[in-house]
Amino acid sequence: EAGVAQSPRYKIIEKRQSVAFWCNPISGHATLYWYQQILGQGPKLLIQFQNNGVVDDSQLPKDRFSAERLKGVDSTLKIQPAKLEDSAVYLCASSSGTTHNEQFFGPGTRLTVL
Amino acid sequence: AQSVAQPEDQVNVAEGNPLTVKCTYSVSGNPYLFWYVQYPNRGLQFLLKYITGDNLVKGSYGFEAEFNKSQTSFHLKKPSALVSDSALYFCAVRDTRGDTGRRALTFGSGTRLQVQP
Repeated sequence: EAGVAQSPRYKIIEKRQSVAFWCNPISGHATLYWYQQILGQGPKLLIQFQNNGVVDDSQLPKDRFSAERLKGVDSTLKIQPAKLEDSAVYLCASSSGTTHNEQFFGPGTRLTVL
Repeated sequence: AQSVAQPEDQVNVAEGNPLTVKCTYSVSGNPYLFWYVQYPNRGLQFLLKYITGDNLVKGSYGFEAEFNKSQTSFHLKKPSALVSDSALYFCAVRDTRGDTGRRALTFGSGTRLQVQP
């Protein structure tokens, strides 16, 4: 089966600019996650969707980050305006069915904020 | 709150020798435990998981992990390391207590495994 797709793979922007990342999960996977992975750290959840509804966005910096999954398939994560500390790899993952199913990760988008 | 600790930033082992990558966790209820591997410029790949049952879990590429409830540990092991096993390994946990709709994993900080020829 095709994996989780993400684009772009790399992005370099100036601080205070805006940026958007796109994710296409594995077909049929109802749950979609966005994680932020800062260099030298493990991934940290930003937001979890179940179909097109938000389940957990408790760690999303809502003053600058937003995400949507309008039709319950693809998702977009946006940062506006970006800060230097937003430099990280943004990982999208998806999973299906039961609560203990493993998550499948995309290759990530590496964001550098100058 | 759930948490994971990987006490070693790096583990070095010679090819053919057994390897162990350590992980301890903290949860309120019972844990779901996972190991993922990350190769350069690639996303995380699932290796294995513990949900319930047998404490010894076997996974991909010859890896296995042992769940120890009394020590709250879930160490990753392999009997004979390969140079191609060199990568970044992450342990992750999900607490079964609480809102079951929230399925996000809490990851450790990662352990870099270096296998020397």
